Amino acid sequence: DAGITQSPRHKVTETGTPVTLRCHQTENHRYMYWYRQDPGHGLRLIHYSYGVKDTDKGEVSDGYSVSRSKTEDFLLTLESATSSQTSVYFCAIKTSPSTDTQYFGPGTRLTVL
Amino acid sequence: TQLLEQSPQFLSIQEGENLTVYCNSSSVFSSLQWYRQEPGEGPVLLVTVVTGGEVKKLKRLTFQFGDARKDSSLHITAAQPGDTGLYLCAGGGYTNAGKSTFGDGTTLTVKP
Repeated sequence: DAGITQSPRHKVTETGTPVTLRCHQTENHRYMYWYRQDPGHGLRLIHYSYGVKDTDKGEVSDGYSVSRSKTEDFLLTLESATSSQTSVYFCAIKTSPSTDTQYFGPGTRLTVL
Repeated sequence: TQLLEQSPQFLSIQEGENLTVYCNSSSVFSSLQWYRQEPGEGPVLLVTVVTGGEVKKLKRLTFQFGDARKDSSLHITAAQPGDTGLYLCAGGGYTNAGKSTFGDGTTLTVKP
């Protein structure tokens, strides 16, 4: 257990509303990641962070923003949710800078109507 | 862009059979991970391989990293229904700034 929690675990929202997902870790690891998982697409990186206020885009970042004001929290925001953003969102951390191994949270299932 | 191709995409077998899942790329990876994911949960790490030619065993699961560090395989001996799940491979690149590339996964169903 890498001490990763995600909230909320489930959310239903309407098109055009803002949504913020939270990832919290208890062990102060530097690297944190947001992925989305859709059938047939595996895990796709949205944004990642390599320190407080240090973030960068992944392969599917359009329509998403992130913030990391504290080491333990990494927030993912959908400024104006669209139906194409209906997905399962996973947060992950990397526990060592010398390895690529990541540990995942339990996921957030988001439905945009 | 580094890509990882997994095959097969779906696999349905009977309990007791053996199987192999493949993860291939044209890119060289600094390490490769295998994860297993059950419905409604996040991926769980099974193994990390870092040395070309490396073989690791985890009970009935055998993982191999290709000599050129471009491919990997997962072999399960005498599969059990508890092995059912989505198997994902992921590779870390030398210049990926801490990012990993994931394959699309292999969905394994083991029937009793």
